[in-house]
Amino acid sequence: GAVVSQHPSRVICKSGTSVKIECRSLDFQATTMFWYRQFPKQSLMLMATSNEGSKATYEQGVEKDKFLINHASLTLSTLTVTSAHPEDSSFYICSARDPFSGSEYEQYFGPGTRLTVT
Amino acid sequence: GNSVTQMEGPVTLSEEAFLTINCTYTATGYPSLFWYVQYPGEGLQLLLKATKADDKGSNKGFEATYRKETTSFHLEKGSVQVSDSAVYFCALITGGFKTIFGAGTRLFVKA
Repeated sequence: GAVVSQHPSRVICKSGTSVKIECRSLDFQATTMFWYRQFPKQSLMLMATSNEGSKATYEQGVEKDKFLINHASLTLSTLTVTSAHPEDSSFYICSARDPFSGSEYEQYFGPGTRLTVT
Repeated sequence: GNSVTQMEGPVTLSEEAFLTINCTYTATGYPSLFWYVQYPGEGLQLLLKATKADDKGSNKGFEATYRKETTSFHLEKGSVQVSDSAVYFCALITGGFKTIFGAGTRLFVKA
C-alpha cells in the first residue's frame, strides 16, 4: 500500500529557533498533501492544504508566516515552524492524496512528528 | 459548523468481547463518513467508509452504518482481538477533501 513518511519523528528545539518537518510519499506522487496538528486527547486539526507547485491554503486561525509550507515536488512537502515557542509544542501529522488510487477520498497518513519547544 | 463527536476513551475490553464506539456528527449537506485506525507507532489508516445514508462500511470484522436520521456512524465489532488495540478516529468530509476528525477513542483489548 501507499506509504507516507515523516522526518524527524521527534524533535526538541529551543524557543526562538526554527524547525523543519518533512513529509514524503514513498511510492506514489502526491499532488495534494495536508498538514494537521494534534493536541493531547484532542482531534486532528487541519492546518493547511499543500498543492504541488502552488501556495498552500491555510485554515482560518493558522498563521501562514509562522507555519511555512512548501510543496516543491510531487513527493515532498515541508512544514517549517519559525521562531518556535513552547505553545507550538504538539504532534504534527501529514497526509497525502494519491490521485491515481481510484479512491477520491483516501488519504495516506504519515506517522507524525512530536515537536517539543523548550 | 461541521463537527464530529465520539465517545471518550479509553475503552478496555476482554478478547472476544463486543465493541461499540459511538460517533455522531453535525454537518451541512451530505457528508461522507469514515473510521480511521492508528496502531501504536504508525500513521492513521482508513478502516472503513460510507458515502451516503444507509450505506454500511465494513472491513476486518468492523462495521458502521451511516444513519442520517440520528446523524450517527457507530463502529462495531462482534469479537475483538488483542491486535485491535489502537486509537480509532471517526471523521467526515463534506465538500472538497477537508477531513474533520473526532477526538479519537483509545481501545485496549486484554487477552
